[in-house]
Amino acid sequence: EIVMTQSPATLSVSPGEAASLSCRASQSVTSNLAWYQQKPGQAPRLVIYDASTRATGIPARFSGSGSGTGFTLTIDSLQSEDFAVYYCQQYNTWPPGAFGGGTKVEIK
Amino acid sequence: QLQLRESGPGLVKPSETLSLTCTVSGGSISTHTYYWGWIRQPPGRGPEWISSIYFSGSTYYNSSLKSRVTISVDTSKNQFSLNLSSVTAADTAMYFCTRHKTFSPFDPWGQGTLVIVSS
Repeated sequence: EIVMTQSPATLSVSPGEAASLSCRASQSVTSNLAWYQQKPGQAPRLVIYDASTRATGIPARFSGSGSGTGFTLTIDSLQSEDFAVYYCQQYNTWPPGAFGGGTKVEIK
Repeated sequence: QLQLRESGPGLVKPSETLSLTCTVSGGSISTHTYYWGWIRQPPGRGPEWISSIYFSGSTYYNSSLKSRVTISVDTSKNQFSLNLSSVTAADTAMYFCTRHKTFSPFDPWGQGTLVIVSS
């Protein structure tokens, strides 16, 4: 079973600054990795898939990178609507794979 | 635009069976290549995939829940359902239905329904 580990658990960032979130897999997931954004009381929303492809409607300030076991989600110039919890999820295995524990991006 | 909506009791007693239904609108559940799945999220924790089904009836389960889970599909109603037996307080969570392909992310998701296990 592949375990996904996210860091940090909480990231305090001022509006307009950039945020960098990390996700590590216990073994290679190639580029089969997604990032989701979840706001309070809402379902997770797909932000990035295939490690670096933005989902439909996602602003260009969101970018993803990495492959194998290490991945990064970068949010440039954080806007108020970007403060949320972000989860990574690997889909290199079948049936569908595990999610990470999440990183909460909060206003500093 | 595809939409999914979960329905079912919000309160279930310990040892009983949790039953939820997901109604799909804006698209057919019988579309080739798509799987229909259930994901849950306990309060304050990350999501956990539970089970998925193909319109033909092929089923897939999380090994940690397999002994208690049954997923089914009703193509005539464009719905799929989840049964989780012998529930305990540890099964208290938001339950989401979703769509995915093989080796692909979950997208979109339903709004979710909160299920509390309590006597």
